[in-house]
Amino acid sequence: AQTVTQSQPEMSVQEAETVTLSCTYDTSENNYYLFWYKQPPSRQMILVIRQEAYKQQNATENRFSVNFQKAAKSFSLKISDSQLGDTAMYFCAFMKPPGAAGNKLTFGGGTRVLVKP
Amino acid sequence: EAGVTQSPTHLIKTRGQQATLRCSPISGHTSVYWYQQALGLGLQFLLWYDEGEERNRGNFPPRFSGRQFPNYSSELNVNALELEDSALYLCASSSLEDVTDTQYFGPGTRLTVL
Repeated sequence: AQTVTQSQPEMSVQEAETVTLSCTYDTSENNYYLFWYKQPPSRQMILVIRQEAYKQQNATENRFSVNFQKAAKSFSLKISDSQLGDTAMYFCAFMKPPGAAGNKLTFGGGTRVLVKP
Repeated sequence: EAGVTQSPTHLIKTRGQQATLRCSPISGHTSVYWYQQALGLGLQFLLWYDEGEERNRGNFPPRFSGRQFPNYSSELNVNALELEDSALYLCASSSLEDVTDTQYFGPGTRLTVL
């Protein structure tokens, strides 16, 4: 079974600075998908960024970027120019290719990010 | 484009009762997923429905069940409620036309069992 580990329960960052969240996973699959979701206090789970394992190029989405190290099974998220609205719980998630293993997302335990003014 | 919607927002039940949670997917999405987010247990996969059929099930007892309707909306039913069923229940939807089958989540239903 796949496991996803987020080793940082909480992180704080000053507004406009950069913060990096770590995520490691365990799988024997060669092809899979990785995601970062954020869950603000409103509880709505919002997709931040996704990465296909077969793509070597790291995904970016505005101020959010990932460092995907397939051999190390590492998938970190960098938030640049942090904003107060980035305060949320961030979850790393793993999924096998669609159709395999029932499209199940396996989540890490989450990292709480607090952006301070 | 409207996102995934869930109702009710909050639901309070007593032990032994039944709870019904509802979810409407994003227009054009045929797959619906249910996850449980319980305190201390993290996010756990419950069920996956696609084209009206149950496609996959997580490690939950049979008293957790559901269905998907012809319009692709879905219901999650929890029978014989137990105190530990108190949690945020999240619904997500995806489109098989998306090669990554990315799941988009609704706001959740907070179930409290007294």
